Amino acid sequence: KNQVEQSPQSLIILEGKNCTLQCNYTVSPFSNLRWYKQDTGRGPVSLTIMTFSENTKSNGRYTATLDADTKQSSLHITASQLSDSASYICVVSPGFQKLVFGTGTRLLVSP
Amino acid sequence: GAVVSQHPSRVICKSGTSVKIECRSLDFQATTMFWYRQFPKQSLMLMATSNEGSKATYEQGVEKDKFLINHASLTLSTLTVTSAHPEDSSFYICSATDQPSPGELFFGEGSRLTVL
Repeated sequence: KNQVEQSPQSLIILEGKNCTLQCNYTVSPFSNLRWYKQDTGRGPVSLTIMTFSENTKSNGRYTATLDADTKQSSLHITASQLSDSASYICVVSPGFQKLVFGTGTRLLVSP
Repeated sequence: GAVVSQHPSRVICKSGTSVKIECRSLDFQATTMFWYRQFPKQSLMLMATSNEGSKATYEQGVEKDKFLINHASLTLSTLTVTSAHPEDSSFYICSATDQPSPGELFFGEGSRLTVL
């Protein structure tokens, strides 16, 4: 069964600190892996999209890694800001416009 | 990045009435649009995929007669919740793409439906 699991479910960090969110998947075949940021009551916003051949991809203070062999991905946030408080969703696509959504990690950045 | 607009952002209706939610791609032609619903503290659940000019493909367990989807143009898709009931209260989100898989997806802001 295609599944995407994220950890931790929730996380609280102090402003300015770094953090890493994890994503493990069992989706097959694999087309790409995406990370989205979703503010409460808003639609998701794309952070990165990674294909099989990409190991790391950055978008500002966000850096995503992908290990297609172990089917793991991580999202590293550097120098966190209050505005980083949101849910972060890992999404894996097996192709054909299908997406398998993770349940998300709820991040709270505290002043 | 591309912009997808949803309207209304919030709607409250009485049980038994129908509600229409619009999803527009403002600066690109969306060949495919997706509709999701999201319950509190849960992830998005795909309801249906719609391609312009053809019937929507619904996910298993989604009632097509209850959730009517129309994708009449390359910039507009609508979701109509017919005979709404309190259990239909949810956050409905659309996304759109102009690319074949794999492709960039752009999400709308979401519509919060509350059925009294």
